[in-house]
This record gives sequence, structure tokens and C-alpha cells, in this order.
Amino acid sequence: KQEVTQIPAALSVPEGENLVLNCSFTDSAIYNLQWFRQDPGKGLTSLLLIQSSQREQTSGRLNASLDKSSGRSTLYIAASQPGDSATYLCAVAGNQFYFGTGTSLTVIP
Amino acid sequence: DTAVSQTPKYLVTQMGNDKSIKCEQNLGHDTMYWYKQDSKKFLKIMFSYNNKELIINETVPNRFSPKSPDKAHLNLHINSLELGDSAVYFCASSQLPGADYGYTFGSGTRLTVV
Repeated sequence: KQEVTQIPAALSVPEGENLVLNCSFTDSAIYNLQWFRQDPGKGLTSLLLIQSSQREQTSGRLNASLDKSSGRSTLYIAASQPGDSATYLCAVAGNQFYFGTGTSLTVIP
Repeated sequence: DTAVSQTPKYLVTQMGNDKSIKCEQNLGHDTMYWYKQDSKKFLKIMFSYNNKELIINETVPNRFSPKSPDKAHLNLHINSLELGDSAVYFCASSQLPGADYGYTFGSGTRLTVV
């Protein structure tokens, strides 16, 4: 059974810093990996989707990479802003869709 | 236009009651899902329907019964609500199971059982 882990569980950084969130998964037989953002009390907003055949995807200040063979993905956030504060979830799609445990990010003004 | 919409957004009810949560998607997706997010924020799949057919049924109490009248709707009915059912329930859809196109989520229904 697929297990998805995110490290760190919580992260606090000063505004302007670049940061990396990590996601690891145990079964490399996936269709894609998706990064979501969840604000407190809100739903999930899709940030980036990486197909299994791709190595990375970029959207604005966000860059997500995927290394299927090692079962890892990273989400790079450049020049962090207080508005980036949220919980970031990665999810892998195989026969089912498995979520990671999430990283709670706080960007301090 | 809301892609995946859930109603109600909040639901407070007493133990033992029966309640339903509705979900509709206007994306033309074939597959819909229900996820439960617990107090530790972990999301776990409950059910998945593909074109009105049940394809994933995780180990959930049979008090939970999904109903898909058509592929654009997947409702969740819960009988005899218990305190432990309190959670946020998310509906989602995708083009195909485990699709290349990713998943779109609704905004969630926060269920509180008192």
C-alpha cells in the first residue's frame, strides 16, 4: 500500500526566504503527483500537477520536481511571502489517490 | 463557476441523526470521490465512483452510504451519526480514476456531531 510522507511537518521562515518542502512515497507506480495548498478552514487548491513522465513543473514562484525512481518530490517556493502561509499537501495518484501528511508553512513578515 | 460544489458547507447535528452531504461537479469528469479529513488534517479516501459505478469502497462503517444518481453527482448519506464522525468531508472529481489530469476538490463540509 502506498505511503506518502512529508517533511518537515511544520516550517516557519522569514519573508523573502526561498524554501523547499519534501514529499516521499513508497510505490513508484504512479500516474502523477499533485501539490495542493490548504488554508485554515478552507478546501484544497491545486498548485501543480506533475505527470509520471515529467521531471518538473513550474508556476510563478513555485517549482515542483519529481523523481519517481527514488520516490521523491520537492516543492520549491521562491521569495516566500506571508500570503504563502498555509498547509501544503502532496498527493500521488496510482490506483487510488494518496495524500501526504502535510507541511504547515508560516511565513513571518 | 464553481467546478466542484458541496452543500452544506457546515453541518452541526446531534448523535443518532441521519444526514446527507451533496456534491456536484460541472467539469464533465467521469470519476468522483469522497475523502474524510480528520482532526490531524490527514485526508483519507472513503469512496470512489466512476460513471455512477462504485469502484473504491474503503473500510468505512456501513452507516456511510454514497449515492450517485448520475456521473455529475455523488452524495454521501450518513445514518446514526456518532461523535467520531465529526470531520471535514471533501468531494473531488477527476477525468478518470488515477487520471493524468489531476483531481479537483470541493471546498469541504465541516460536520460536527454533538
